[in-house]
Amino acid sequence: AAGVIQSPRHLIKEKRETATLKCYPIPRHDTVYWYQQGPGQDPQFLISFYEKMQSDKGSIPDRFSAQQFSDYHSELNMSSLELGDSALYFCASQNFMNTEAFFGQGTRLTVV
Amino acid sequence: KQEVTQIPAALSVPEGENLVLNCSFTDSAIYNLQWFRQDPGKGLTSLLLIQSSQREQTSGRLNASLDKSSGRSTLYIAASQPGDSATYLCAVSNAGGTSYGKLTFGQGTILTVHP
Repeated sequence: AAGVIQSPRHLIKEKRETATLKCYPIPRHDTVYWYQQGPGQDPQFLISFYEKMQSDKGSIPDRFSAQQFSDYHSELNMSSLELGDSALYFCASQNFMNTEAFFGQGTRLTVV
Repeated sequence: KQEVTQIPAALSVPEGENLVLNCSFTDSAIYNLQWFRQDPGKGLTSLLLIQSSQREQTSGRLNASLDKSSGRSTLYIAASQPGDSATYLCAVSNAGGTSYGKLTFGQGTILTVHP
């Protein structure tokens, strides 16, 4: 069965650079969630989209922005990167009629 | 604000032992509760999902229970194996909106099963 696809799997950026993470949800899933997991931390909710509109917002820095496109894939844009942005970034997708969200394998971002 | 706590933070057991991981949450208004497994530096593998109307779910050697009124869940692992070594995360989806996949995670239990 198709799963949530995240790209890239690994990304190394320098401080003050910009990074773009992509998430391709399971087919027919209309909702996407983004999470950040710092080293030794539990995943923290950043932001979510339903039918291309932002549906909820968590502890997402102002330097970050995200959107969901017409094909339901989502991108998380991170600017002015800081060392503390180094983390695993997870995307999850869900169909509105089902309460279970499915997670991708994550993108590991390292800021040097 | 929902808070999820997992006890113990770490657990080391010999192979073959049955074990219980505990999870508690402060707000009982949840859609569901989910247990995940995470290997070091890897993604989240969903183990079991319990809807708020359910009391337990089973998959192989795993059994998860939910007592929503008391804000508690347990994950029971039978006949543990070294391959079970990982971090186990409990997460709840809060009711009151449509963001079912907006989860609040616990800090996890680091499980080590030694041969």
